[in-house]
This record gives sequence, structure tokens and C-alpha cells, in this order.
Amino acid sequence: DQQVKQNSPSLSVQEGRISILNCDYTNSMFDYFLWYKKYPAEGPTFLISISSIKDKNEDGRFTVFLNKSAKHLSLHIVPSQPGDSAVYFCAARAWYSGGGADGLTFGKGTHLIIQP
Amino acid sequence: EAGVTQFPSHSVIEKGQTVTLRCDPISGHDNLYWYRRVMGKEIKFLLHFVKESKQDESGMPNNRFLAERTGGTYSTLKVQPAELEDSGVYFCASSPFENTEAFFGQGTRLTVV
Repeated sequence: DQQVKQNSPSLSVQEGRISILNCDYTNSMFDYFLWYKKYPAEGPTFLISISSIKDKNEDGRFTVFLNKSAKHLSLHIVPSQPGDSAVYFCAARAWYSGGGADGLTFGKGTHLIIQP
Repeated sequence: EAGVTQFPSHSVIEKGQTVTLRCDPISGHDNLYWYRRVMGKEIKFLLHFVKESKQDESGMPNNRFLAERTGGTYSTLKVQPAELEDSGVYFCASSPFENTEAFFGQGTRLTVV
């Protein structure tokens, strides 16, 4: 049973336009969300994160939005650049009041292709 | 500053053999994680060390997998005996604190034939 879902295996966007990657989750214990970017034959690279107490976090061209009631988050990249072509993973972590956090739970990833 | 490094980058072994993967976390990072991605599927958590102690090993598939982190520095993940379904990319990650982002190594691609 997948707790983090990325329903679009791939997404093609024209250079200069906005890329929107979506992610849905089911576990209400998740309170920290991250986006990782991955190039072939490399490990995932941290991109941006958001705590559940916020609904938006921005870092340069990257903005993550969190809608807790819908259990949905999205990553916006604007403007999209050729170097943004990669697989993007949504990940979530649960933090327990007794202390400690689980390891990250990942989605299957979305392959973003930026077309010139 | 060196990132998370993993060795080997690629390993091909026969079913029934033993393989040991190594991970060197970023210096000073107490938290070390192992993950695995089987082809076409999501990256799955295996276990978490805080220094030399296993904080959570709930993701370990079975007792053929043994992880150690002696001295709280580098970690090894041994698969003995390897089975075909163990094939995949094994990632190691580290972080200074539990509630911060983790930095990943490049992964070890394990192929069991």
C-alpha cells in the first residue's frame, strides 16, 4: 500500500514555462515533506522541503505548496530550464511525539522532460 | 567537504554468494540511512543508525541482510546469501539531525544472477 503517490510517471514541459509536479499522501502522521531530484546513475539530490505547519516554501525557481486537508503537495518550477530534466521524487517523514522519526517514504517519481 | 560515498558503485554476483556494501557518511553526521530501489519501484527505507545504534530496522527485508556501523562512522550492509530479488540500487544517506534533510550517496547497483 503506497503511502506517497506520484501519479504521473512523466511530464513534458516547454523550456521557460512552469512545471508542476504533484504528490499525494495517505499517512496523516507525515509532518515533513521533501522533494528530491535525481539524474541517471546518481543518488537523489535534496531540492526543497516543507514542514506541515506551513503551506508554502520558496527557494529561487522552486516552490513547494502543501494542502494538508487534501493530503496533497506540489512542486512548481518556474521558469523551467533544460537542466531541470530529471526524475523528481516526493518524500515524506513522520515524526512521533515520543521522539524520533521514521525513514523517508518515497513516491515512485516523475520523470520531467524540459523541451527546448 | 566530501559527500556521502558508497562502494562499490556496481556489483554483479551469483545467487547464493555474499556481498558487502559500504557507505561513508558526511563527516559529523550521526544519522545514517540505507534505502533500496528495486527496478521500476519506489525508493524504500531499510534502516536507520544514530551513531552506532540501530534506531529503526523495520524496513530490512529479512535476516539475510545485516547492517553494521561500528564506531559510528562508516556503515556496511551485507547480503548473505544473495537472492535474485535482492537486485536493485542500494542508497545510503546521512544527516546531522533526524528532522533535517538527508544527503544521498550515488548508490550501489547490485545485480544478482
